[in-house]
Amino acid sequence: KQEVTQIPAALSVPEGENLVLNCSFTDSAIYNLQWFRQDPGKGLTSLLLIQSSQREQTSGRLNASLDKSSGRSTLYIAASQPGDSATYLCAVRPSRDDKIIFGKGTRLHILP
Amino acid sequence: NAGVTQTPKFHILKIGQSMTLQCTQDMNHNYMYWYRQDPGMGLKLIYYSVGAGITDKGEVPNGYNVSRSTTEDFPLRLELAAPSQTSVYFCASSQSSYNEQFFGPGTRLTVL
Repeated sequence: KQEVTQIPAALSVPEGENLVLNCSFTDSAIYNLQWFRQDPGKGLTSLLLIQSSQREQTSGRLNASLDKSSGRSTLYIAASQPGDSATYLCAVRPSRDDKIIFGKGTRLHILP
Repeated sequence: NAGVTQTPKFHILKIGQSMTLQCTQDMNHNYMYWYRQDPGMGLKLIYYSVGAGITDKGEVPNGYNVSRSTTEDFPLRLELAAPSQTSVYFCASSQSSYNEQFFGPGTRLTVL
């Protein structure tokens, strides 16, 4: 059974620093992996979608990488800002399933 | 283009009552999903649909029902509400299971 883990559960970082959020999954047979952002009391906003054949995707200050064989993905945030404070979730779509599996998220706090 | 909309935003239900959470998407997506999010537990899939007239159970379907009579709408029905159904409910849609999912703003439901 596919399991998705995000460690740490919470992270505080001074403004301006570059940071990396981690996501690991137990079964490398995935079709794609998606990173989301969730602000308190709000829905999820899709940040990046990486297909299994890709190694990374970039959007502005965000870069997501995927190492399928080791079951890992990272979300790199450059030059962090207080507005980046949110919970970040990753989700994988197993190869033989229509449903995606979510991690529990990392709650990020950028200190001004 | 409103994306995925959900109503109501908040609701308090008494034990044993029933209600329907509404979800509509205007992106002509084939796939629609219902999740619940509980503190510290991540998102759990309740039901999903791959197209009008087709629905399937997710991880936690007990106590819920869905229907998909049109491409746009995917209502979630709670019958005989129980306190364990207190949660935040999110609806999402995607063009296919291979594409990114787009989420609605959520419905915060309390059962007392």
